[in-house]
Amino acid sequence: AQTVTQSQPEMSVQEAETVTLSCTYDTSENNYYLFWYKQPPSRQMILVIRQEAYKQQNATENRFSVNFQKAAKSFSLKISDSQLGDTAMYFCAFILDDKIIFGKGTRLHILP
Amino acid sequence: DTEVTQTPKHLVMGMTNKKSLKCEQHMGHRAMYWYKQKAKKPPELMFVYSYEKLSINESVPSRFSPECPNSSLLNLHLHALQPEDSALYLCASSQFLDPGANVLTFGAGSRLTVL
Repeated sequence: AQTVTQSQPEMSVQEAETVTLSCTYDTSENNYYLFWYKQPPSRQMILVIRQEAYKQQNATENRFSVNFQKAAKSFSLKISDSQLGDTAMYFCAFILDDKIIFGKGTRLHILP
Repeated sequence: DTEVTQTPKHLVMGMTNKKSLKCEQHMGHRAMYWYKQKAKKPPELMFVYSYEKLSINESVPSRFSPECPNSSLLNLHLHALQPEDSALYLCASSQFLDPGANVLTFGAGSRLTVL
């Protein structure tokens, strides 16, 4: 069975700093997807970034980038130049076929 | 229109009440999902509809009854709920039933309180 582990329940950083959220997963499959979702206080889950396992190149979306280490089964999210609006719960998600497995989340606070 | 709209945003109901949550999307997505999310926890999948047919039921109690009257609408009928059913109920949709290749779009949720 697949599992997703986010080892940092909560983090705080100063505005404009860079922060890295960790995520590890366990699977014996070779083709899958990995996502990071953000859930701000407004409650809506918003896709931050996605990575296909067969792609070696790390995904990047503006200030958000991932460090995908397939052999180590690691998928960390780096937020550069953090902004107050980045304050949210961040969920790492593993997707295989029609199943999505979420990690328990990391609550990120961006401090002014 | 790139949104998933959920109504009501908040709902308070007694254990003997019958109520419904509604979800609507006009993106032409053919897969729709209901998730339940307790405080400070990740979403848990409840039901998935694909082409208006129930595709996945994650062993949800029968007091929750989903309905997909057409490709744009998804309802969740609630009856005889328990206080532990209080949670945020999230609806999502994707173009097809493959949430890896077809990214989920989530609604803002309906916060349910059962007294």
